[in-house]
Amino acid sequence: AQKITQTQPGMFVQEKEAVTLDCTYDTSDPSYGLFWYKQPSSGEMIFLIYQGSYDQQNATEGRYSLNFQKARKSANLVISASQLGDSAMYFCAMREGGSYIPTFGRGTSLIVHP
Amino acid sequence: NAGVTQTPKFRVLKTGQSMTLLCAQDMNHEYMYWYRQDPGMGLRLIHYSVGEGTTAKGEVPDGYNVSRLKKQNFLLGLESAAPSQTSVYFCASSGGLARFTDTQYFGPGTRLTVL
Repeated sequence: AQKITQTQPGMFVQEKEAVTLDCTYDTSDPSYGLFWYKQPSSGEMIFLIYQGSYDQQNATEGRYSLNFQKARKSANLVISASQLGDSAMYFCAMREGGSYIPTFGRGTSLIVHP
Repeated sequence: NAGVTQTPKFRVLKTGQSMTLLCAQDMNHEYMYWYRQDPGMGLRLIHYSVGEGTTAKGEVPDGYNVSRLKKQNFLLGLESAAPSQTSVYFCASSGGLARFTDTQYFGPGTRLTVL
């Protein structure tokens, strides 16, 4: 069974609008971390934001925020005021407390239209 | 601060040739990883290391070997390259102090083509 599921292979958004990229996860470990990465067309993987399972508040980093719903096991990335430079692949990942190895989702392609 | 660097950035090999990819990090991280990324497949873990002198197999280790003789370096070797190893290879490192809060940082990638 997949531990990280990103159900949206592709998303489109108008510049300056907000967009939500979905990520659901599956774990029985009470200690885990959730991560989002951005991969632009240039290829590098850029760390965006982190949410820990014990964090009481949703993580925010500038225009990025994480809508963390623990009971539903979802960790959706919200990008506010989209910019053309946000066009990229976005990967959700989870690291469980008992593992050295994070699990990555298959990614969501985001295209921002002017 | 260079972070994670990879050498080379691009390489073309013929089937049966060998090569070594070098990953270096200057963040004093304990953990290092090698991934491959193929279209539609996401990231797949090849090998990883949890400290100097240690290595372990990941999801797709066949055809690859690794070594971590120094803490800052993690080498990925292809002894006899095959066209199926055409891919983009990423190295990553993480601090290792508290596992589930441990963020991975990635190198820029190596694009390898095997003819």
